[in-house]
Amino acid sequence: NAGVTQTPKFQVLKTGQSMTLQCAQDMNHNSMYWYRQDPGMGLRLIYYSASEGTTDKGEVPNGYNVSRLNKREFSLRLESAAPSQTSVYFCASSVVLRSGNTIYFGEGSWLTVV
Amino acid sequence: KNQVEQSPQSLIILEGKNCTLQCNYTVSPFSNLRWYKQDTGRGPVSLTIMTFSENTKSNGRYTATLDADTKQSSLHITASQLSDSASYICVVSASNTGKLIFGQGTTLQVKP
Repeated sequence: NAGVTQTPKFQVLKTGQSMTLQCAQDMNHNSMYWYRQDPGMGLRLIYYSASEGTTDKGEVPNGYNVSRLNKREFSLRLESAAPSQTSVYFCASSVVLRSGNTIYFGEGSWLTVV
Repeated sequence: KNQVEQSPQSLIILEGKNCTLQCNYTVSPFSNLRWYKQDTGRGPVSLTIMTFSENTKSNGRYTATLDADTKQSSLHITASQLSDSASYICVVSASNTGKLIFGQGTTLQVKP
């Protein structure tokens, strides 16, 4: 299984440009997430989707939009990129096991806004 | 405020040595605690997950402990290997919201 796949792996944007980070999971998970990871900080939740057709804001949603296209895919869009959005972005999906909610992460997307 | 604090921030040890990473949390009500390993340039991968009733859980050379009374967890790595060099992230889940609170991580470097 591929698990959680996100693209692109690396991207450089100019301030004001837009782009979409794509994410797909093949584990039939209901919940999907977008996080950003910055040096010296823990992963911070941008948006999440508890199920197909629903999305909710996380801790740092400003400047981002998301789309839960179907159960497999959850995309993150930057409409007008800013240098503060330079970060590593992780998509994740989760399944509820007896021990709790287990999250599986993608490999990350390195975004630089200049 | 729900918080997860990890220590030390970074650690260097020699190959073959043991080490212990600490995680203190103030998340309430508590649901579970996870330890993740994140290799450089990769996504985090789950090592262990513990619920309120579990005190110890092992995964190979990794042993996690949980003291729900003092709200502390530790991750002990035995006989370290070069491949253990990574960041280790403690994540606590709040049972009322399901929200995950991430620690900042401990960066471990194992030297030959």
